[in-house]
Amino acid sequence: EIVLTQSPATLSLSPGEGATLSCRASQSVRSHLAWYQQKPGQAPRLLIFDASNRATGVPARFSGSGSGTDFTLTISGLEPADSATYYCQQRGKWPPTFGQGTRLDLK
Amino acid sequence: EVQLVESGGGLAQPGGSLRLSCAASGFMFNFFAMHWVRQAPGKGLEWVSSLTGSGYATYYARSVEGRFTISRDNSQNVLYLQMSSLRTDDTAIYYCVKDREVASTIPQYYFDDWGQGILVTVSS
Repeated sequence: EIVLTQSPATLSLSPGEGATLSCRASQSVRSHLAWYQQKPGQAPRLLIFDASNRATGVPARFSGSGSGTDFTLTISGLEPADSATYYCQQRGKWPPTFGQGTRLDLK
Repeated sequence: EVQLVESGGGLAQPGGSLRLSCAASGFMFNFFAMHWVRQAPGKGLEWVSSLTGSGYATYYARSVEGRFTISRDNSQNVLYLQMSSLRTDDTAIYYCVKDREVASTIPQYYFDDWGQGILVTVSS
């Protein structure tokens, strides 16, 4: 199965700054990659699908890019509410798999 | 508004069984594949099982194949997960999840709407 490796494990930034989260796949998943946001005690929320398409209601501050094996989630103008763990997930090759997550802390 | 409400979780002994239910509303239930995704305490997300809108095709993670059975009742808008031969490493929050796209034949495996999750604890 495809292994997704996310980096960094933890990111500590200030409000207003930009965040860059990385997800690397062990083999090509083409553009079949999604990003999720999970806040403590809550269910995950779909942010991005097909590498770069924002899900319904997701602010334009969130953008995704990449294809093949290397993907990036970029969050501009960080807000305190962006504190969460972010997961990537691939559906390019069955079974679907998730990365281990990147925790984003806002100082 | 899509709503997914899980029930049936709790404490089970190793080797025991438990059945989870998920009551769905706010969308055309039979048009969408449905999934179970779990999260062990303090850990990441793990896909568990999926089935098509018709319920005819089912899919399982290797870790649960042969022990868990996914099913649905489209007349009642309910998704089920029958869990047997439970192990301590099945301890997790189990989420009922709706597929993102309408699809008749196979799941699309983008996890759009999520329930609040239900805790399953396997311990003696």
